[in-house]
Amino acid sequence: DIQLTQSPSFLSASVGDRVTITCRASQGISSYLAWYQQKPGKAPEVLIYAASTLQSGVPSRFSGSGSGTEFTLTISSLQPEDFATYYCQHLITYPLTFGPGTKVDI
Amino acid sequence: EVQLLQSGGGLVQPGGSLRLSCVASAFTFSNYAMTWVRQAPGKGLEWVSSITNSGGGTYYADSVRGRFTISRDNSKNTLFLQMNSLRAEDTAVYYCAQYIVQPRYFDYWGQGTLVTVSS
Repeated sequence: DIQLTQSPSFLSASVGDRVTITCRASQGISSYLAWYQQKPGKAPEVLIYAASTLQSGVPSRFSGSGSGTEFTLTISSLQPEDFATYYCQHLITYPLTFGPGTKVDI
Repeated sequence: EVQLLQSGGGLVQPGGSLRLSCVASAFTFSNYAMTWVRQAPGKGLEWVSSITNSGGGTYYADSVRGRFTISRDNSKNTLFLQMNSLRAEDTAVYYCAQYIVQPRYFDYWGQGTLVTVSS
């Protein structure tokens, strides 16, 4: 099975900060990676798919990059509504595992 | 507006069974693969199971294989998760989601339903 790690697991930031979250896969997954945002008590929402494609309706301050085994999610200027937990997920083969999550807090 | 409306959660004793349902609206259900994801209290997301648009292909996490069964009724726009031999570690919020297979990601999600396995 392919394992995903995320770093950092917790990130303390301020409004306006540039934030970068890294996701690493235990083996190559091409660009079959998605990023989700989850707020407390809510279902996750997709931000990025295919490693770098922004989902419709997602603000352009979110961006994704990478391929193979290393990927990043960047928030160019953190907004109050961005404080949440972020998960990466690979979708190259079953099981479709998620990373452990990165909590972005004040 | 696409909606996935979930039902069927609740409290069940260890070893018991429960069936979750997820009713889809505002999209052609039979054209889309579907999936279940769960989240234990205070923990991260765990993929549970997926099913192809026709229902002909099903896939499971090792943690639930042999105990859970995913199915769908395309005539009723409904996705199911039959959960048998439930364990305490199955306690979680369960989400259904629309699975876009090309490119690959989970798009619309249900509201989640809590399953608690406890005596």
